[in-house]
Amino acid sequence: AQSVAQPEDQVNVAEGNPLTVKCTYSVSGNPYLFWYVQYPNRGLQFLLKYITGDNLVKGSYGFEAEFNKSQTSFHLKKPSALVSDSALYFCAVYAGNNRKLIWGLGTSLAVNP
Amino acid sequence: EPEVTQTPSHQVTQMGQEVILRCVPISNHLYFYWYRQILGQKVEFLVSFYNNEISEKSEIFDDQFSVERPDGSNFTLKIRSTKLEDSAMYFCASTTWPGETQYFGPGTRLLVL
Repeated sequence: AQSVAQPEDQVNVAEGNPLTVKCTYSVSGNPYLFWYVQYPNRGLQFLLKYITGDNLVKGSYGFEAEFNKSQTSFHLKKPSALVSDSALYFCAVYAGNNRKLIWGLGTSLAVNP
Repeated sequence: EPEVTQTPSHQVTQMGQEVILRCVPISNHLYFYWYRQILGQKVEFLVSFYNNEISEKSEIFDDQFSVERPDGSNFTLKIRSTKLEDSAMYFCASTTWPGETQYFGPGTRLLVL
């Protein structure tokens, strides 16, 4: 079965430190991978995606993610966290034999001043 | 920049009543989705809609739910007889193609009493 896992419900990091939010996936075929962010009481905003090409993808607000095919991962990273990055982060994957995105359960990121 | 809009932002209803949630997708998008999210937790897929018909639906999307694109712009979700457990945030999303970025509306917070 096709699935996306975000193994951490919550990630805590100090402001200024690097952050990583993990995502692994299991799909048949080539995956299209997405990260979305949800700020409190808001809708989901697209951050970045990987479809093909360079494994390191840069997105909004200084975030980047690295596609690792051998580890079937697409971890979200940022070199220096801001308090304003505190939000819920969702990883999602599309594979050609689906007509919908498969969503992870979300990771709550708390950046402490 | 074009965006997905949703109305109303909040809806309070009595159990057993019908509600209609409205969405205006981005104008050149062809695929439309409804999701729900309970208490800021996981994003649950409800239904996808393309070419004026449902292309996929989840087990949540039972006979109490229906979707419609009554004109060239609106995309509606109807819940015929609401239950307490339908209380959630409902998000509409649209995209040009299932493997492309989905753009989300701000959501409708539904409270069933």
